Amino acid sequence: QQQVKQSPQSLIVQKGGISIINCAYENTAFDYFPWYQQFPGKGPALLIAIRPDVSEKKEGRFTISFNKSAKQFSLHIMDSQPGDSATYFCAASRVSGTYKYIFGTGTRLKVLA
Amino acid sequence: ETGVTQSPTHLIKTRGQQVTLRCSSQSGHNTVSWYQQALGQGPQFIFQYYREEENGRGNFPPRFSGLQFPNYSSELNVNALELDDSALYLCASSLDAYGYTFGSGTRLTVV
Repeated sequence: QQQVKQSPQSLIVQKGGISIINCAYENTAFDYFPWYQQFPGKGPALLIAIRPDVSEKKEGRFTISFNKSAKQFSLHIMDSQPGDSATYFCAASRVSGTYKYIFGTGTRLKVLA
Repeated sequence: ETGVTQSPTHLIKTRGQQVTLRCSSQSGHNTVSWYQQALGQGPQFIFQYYREEENGRGNFPPRFSGLQFPNYSSELNVNALELDDSALYLCASSLDAYGYTFGSGTRLTVV
């Protein structure tokens, strides 16, 4: 019940295209869903996050769509750029108590120039 | 304002040895969490410290232990190293649940 399932494992997109990464969770107690971006040799960096009281959040080219009833959320990267090539992790957490993040297994994105 | 810094960046140890990894949290952050990231996997929660007290622990054996100091810096200690302990160890600091700041990690190789 603590798992977060992420897909696809890898993704290749043309420059200017839309990258879509999906995650599903099981524990309905989760109430915070961040996305992290990780470049080789670096730690993950927070990209965008959402609470379950909204269905969509947009920051620049990055959008999270959230479906509470389906227990799914996704990251959309619009106008994908070669600089977006990185590994993306979704995560789920509770905002109270020990807020440990349960991470997905990651999606390696490559944007072709 | 500095971010989260970890030391050392790389480390090679022999099976059975002990290791200490260090983390300086971002200024003002009173909570530190440690994660283990195996190659090609997402980070796995080890434990969290809040104001020098352990505030939660993941599914890791007792040979993984930690400390948080009054300046909120932290250490991760691993005893009796096993080959499977080879991973990137990430430290993250935060003020609350809304977004950790991660360090660049320590790459531990156990041979």
